[in-house]
Amino acid sequence: DAGVTQSPTHLIKTRGQQVTLRCSPKSGHDTVSWYQQALGQGPQFIFQYYEEEERQRGNFPDRFSGHQFPNYSSELNVNALLLGDSALYLCASSGEQGRNEKLFFGSGTQLSVL
Amino acid sequence: RKEVEQDPGPFNVPEGATVAFNCTYSNSASQSFFWYRQDCRKEPKLLMSVYSSGNEDGRFTAQLNRASQYISLLIRDSKLSDSATYLCVVNPRGNTPLVFGKGTRLSVIA
Repeated sequence: DAGVTQSPTHLIKTRGQQVTLRCSPKSGHDTVSWYQQALGQGPQFIFQYYEEEERQRGNFPDRFSGHQFPNYSSELNVNALLLGDSALYLCASSGEQGRNEKLFFGSGTQLSVL
Repeated sequence: RKEVEQDPGPFNVPEGATVAFNCTYSNSASQSFFWYRQDCRKEPKLLMSVYSSGNEDGRFTAQLNRASQYISLLIRDSKLSDSATYLCVVNPRGNTPLVFGKGTRLSVIA
């Protein structure tokens, strides 16, 4: 039973570029949440998707957008990258028994913006 | 006041020691509480949920004090493998995203 998988594991971009991160949820889960974790900080909630719609959103600008596909996988897109976007991006999946509580995290994508 | 605040780390303790972490939360209506463990550059993993009556899992004991709005985690007989960052996590209002503290780093030394 595959857990949550994320790709790529590492990414280096320059300011102003755009990036797409991908996530496949754990088998049986239909909800994907994205978190940003800067160095020395706790994860910060970006947004959550289920039934292919954004259901909840944290305090992030519109440069951060996402999508969920019919197979429940999800993408996080960040436009016009800033140096401050450098962080570990974590995807967490959950099911209807605990969309906001029983989270299983992927190993993350480490994004470096130069 | 931040939604979730934790003891600043790092905590450096010898093997076999007992160590306790505290965490405070600002929203008195918060409903669910958790401790997650995060190894260096890895994903957070659920360590344990925290219940009003307190709960224990082996060497780990979690306590919730609603009146004072704090949560604690006690680790007894520390092992080298306990070295990690411990994240205090709160669900503020039921069907809302989890709020994570900054984490407290623990180093257990031989």
